[in-house]
Amino acid sequence: GQQLNQSPQSMFIQEGEDVSMNCTSSSIFNTWLWYKQDPGEGPVLLIALYKAGELTSNGRLTAQFGITRKDSFLNISASIPSDVGIYFCAAIYNQGGKLIFGQGTELSVKP
Amino acid sequence: DAGVTQSPTHLIKTRGQQVTLRCSPKSGHDTVSWYQQALGQGPQFIFQYYEEEERQRGNFPDRFSGHQFPNYSSELNVNALLLGDSALYLCASSVKETQYFGPGTRLLVL
Repeated sequence: GQQLNQSPQSMFIQEGEDVSMNCTSSSIFNTWLWYKQDPGEGPVLLIALYKAGELTSNGRLTAQFGITRKDSFLNISASIPSDVGIYFCAAIYNQGGKLIFGQGTELSVKP
Repeated sequence: DAGVTQSPTHLIKTRGQQVTLRCSPKSGHDTVSWYQQALGQGPQFIFQYYEEEERQRGNFPDRFSGHQFPNYSSELNVNALLLGDSALYLCASSVKETQYFGPGTRLLVL
C-alpha cells in the first residue's frame, strides 16, 4: 500500500542551527502537506504544496514538492526553542482520498 | 473564525462499551475525515464523510462507524471497545485537499 518514509526519526540541535527533514515514497502524490504536533494536541498545518517542483516558504520554514511527485522536504532556518515538537509529512493522491502520514520527526532544540 | 472543534477532550471507557465522539468543521468546510493516532505513531485514516455519505474508508473494522449531519458536523462511533482502541482520535475538515485538524479526543479504554 501507499507509505511515506520520513527521516530522520529524531534530531537534537542547538538553537540557531538549520534543520532539514524529508519524506519519500514509491507512490506518486498530488498534494504534500507538512504538520507540526505538540504533545496531546492535534497537528497544525505548516505548509501545503500542490504542484510538482513547487517551493513554498512560511516564515523560517521552507518546503518543496519533489519533481517526481514522490518526495518532499522541509527546512527550518535559525531554529528557536518553540520549534520543539513532532513534524509530520503527509500526502494525498486526489481530493476525496485519504491523507497518508509519515512516521514523524521529533525535533529537540537546546537553548 | 473558529477552527475545527472536537468533544469531549478526554474520555475513559471500559472494554465492551460504546463511545461517540463529535466534531465540528471549520466554517465553509464540507468534508470531515477521522483519524486514529496511537502513541508515538502518525495518524491513521479511519474514514471520510462528504455530503452525509462515507466517501472512503481505511483499514478499520465495522465496529467503527460514523455520521455526517446536514450542517457538516460529524460523529465517530466505536462499539465493543477493545484495550487497543485507546488512542488520540483526530477529526480534520477540508473543502479541497488541505485538511485542518482539531485538538483531538483522548480515549482511554480500561
